[in-house]
Amino acid sequence: SQQGEEDPQALSIQEGENATMNCSYKTSINNLQWYRQNSGRGLVHLILIRSNEREKHSGRLRVTLDTSKKSSSLLITASRAADTASYFCATDQSSQGAQKLVFGQGTRLTINP
Amino acid sequence: DAGVTQSPTHLIKTRGQQVTLRCSPKSGHDTVSWYQQALGQGPQFIFQYYEEEERQRGNFPDRFSGHQFPNYSSELNVNALLLGDSALYLCASSFYTGHYTFGSGTRLTVV
Repeated sequence: SQQGEEDPQALSIQEGENATMNCSYKTSINNLQWYRQNSGRGLVHLILIRSNEREKHSGRLRVTLDTSKKSSSLLITASRAADTASYFCATDQSSQGAQKLVFGQGTRLTINP
Repeated sequence: DAGVTQSPTHLIKTRGQQVTLRCSPKSGHDTVSWYQQALGQGPQFIFQYYEEEERQRGNFPDRFSGHQFPNYSSELNVNALLLGDSALYLCASSFYTGHYTFGSGTRLTVV
């Protein structure tokens, strides 16, 4: 079963606008990661934020993490057509040396030219 | 530097058959995890292999089994295929902890 929930499930915006996606989770985490997936193919790692961090930037990406609310958000600024993809948050629930990512159901982002 | 390689990219099997999927991890990575992604869903953790042993397992039946070889490559085997096993199977490799590299996946269709 999946523990993460993402909101919205689908988002359609105009090129150049900002896109915000939210993710909620249920258990304690080591870190939270965001991935992009194009057309049902492999996942591309975008950014990792550790549980003791509140905000992280990478290029046009900004991620926030609120562990008290068990939520995270991904902001993509100045969107481009190439940003059209599905975006997934994944919580790292590693324990006792074993690594395990728990994914949300994803947000399908469409950038209209 | 090659990333994670999965084979085959697509395959079609009949209900009741058995299938083997293969994964070569990224150079320098020693841990391999397998995920199942049904259409329109997020990936679900199947199991993880490290030092040729299954280290953790998700909520999947025993029909799903795996193996890791001394060169860190891995296989996922699924027996007695069901229609519901149709999905994209993703392999991810990592070293120690934190950062994962995913392959492009194998699209399995069970008819």
